[in-house]
Amino acid sequence: IAGITQAPTSQILAAGRRMTLRCTQDMRHNAMYWYRQDLGLGLRLIHYSNTAGTTGKGEVPDGYSVSRANTDDFPLTLASAVPSQTSVYFCASSDGGGYTFGSGTRLTVV
Amino acid sequence: TQLLEQSPQFLSIQEGENLTVYCNSSSVFSSLQWYRQEPGEGPVLLVTVVTGGEVKKLKRLTFQFGDARKDSSLHITAAQPGDTGLYLCAGERNNAGNMLTFGGGTRLMVKP
Repeated sequence: IAGITQAPTSQILAAGRRMTLRCTQDMRHNAMYWYRQDLGLGLRLIHYSNTAGTTGKGEVPDGYSVSRANTDDFPLTLASAVPSQTSVYFCASSDGGGYTFGSGTRLTVV
Repeated sequence: TQLLEQSPQFLSIQEGENLTVYCNSSSVFSSLQWYRQEPGEGPVLLVTVVTGGEVKKLKRLTFQFGDARKDSSLHITAAQPGDTGLYLCAGERNNAGNMLTFGGGTRLMVKP
C-alpha cells in the first residue's frame, strides 16, 4: 500500500441497502476526509476527521456516517442508499499541507 | 453558487498554445492549492500558495495568488497533450483547520 487505498473501485447498489466504503492510508496522517464529486458541482465535503477518535460534518453529511477508530482507517457508511447518492466518492488525508487522494469509488444507486 | 468560481469551465486548445485558468472568490483564504485530476483517478496536488501576490512556477505552469488572497490563476505556456485533465483550485479559509473548499474545476483538452 502506498498512499490511500479505497474499496471497492465501483459498486451498483439497490436503493435502501446499507453500504460501507472503505478507506485506508499508510502515511500516518492525522486528518482524513470524504468528498463526493458530481458533474457541475465539483468536490463537496461529506465528513472529516482531524484525528483518530474525532469526526465532524462537512457540507453534505445527510445520509452518511463515518467512524475513526484508528489513524489509518476512515470508513464511510450509507445507512439506506438513495439514488441521489449516486456519485464518485473520494477519500483524502492530510498532514496539514496538501491533500493526498485515493482513486475513488464509483457508486451507482438504482 | 460556489464559494470558489473557476473559469473557464471547459477549454479546448491546440498543442503549443498558452492558456490561463482563473479561480475567484469574495472570501479571503489563508492558502490556495491547485490540483490536477485525470479520468478514473483522484486529484493530485500541483502547488500551494500562501502569501498574497506569491508566484510559483512548476516547469511550464505558473501559479499566482492574488494580493488580497481572494483569487488565483494558473497559466500554462506551450500546452502539451499531457496537460489534458481537470484542474481544480481549493482554498483553505482562516480558522477552518485544514479543510479545503474546492472550485468546480476547469476541464482542459490539449489537442496534438
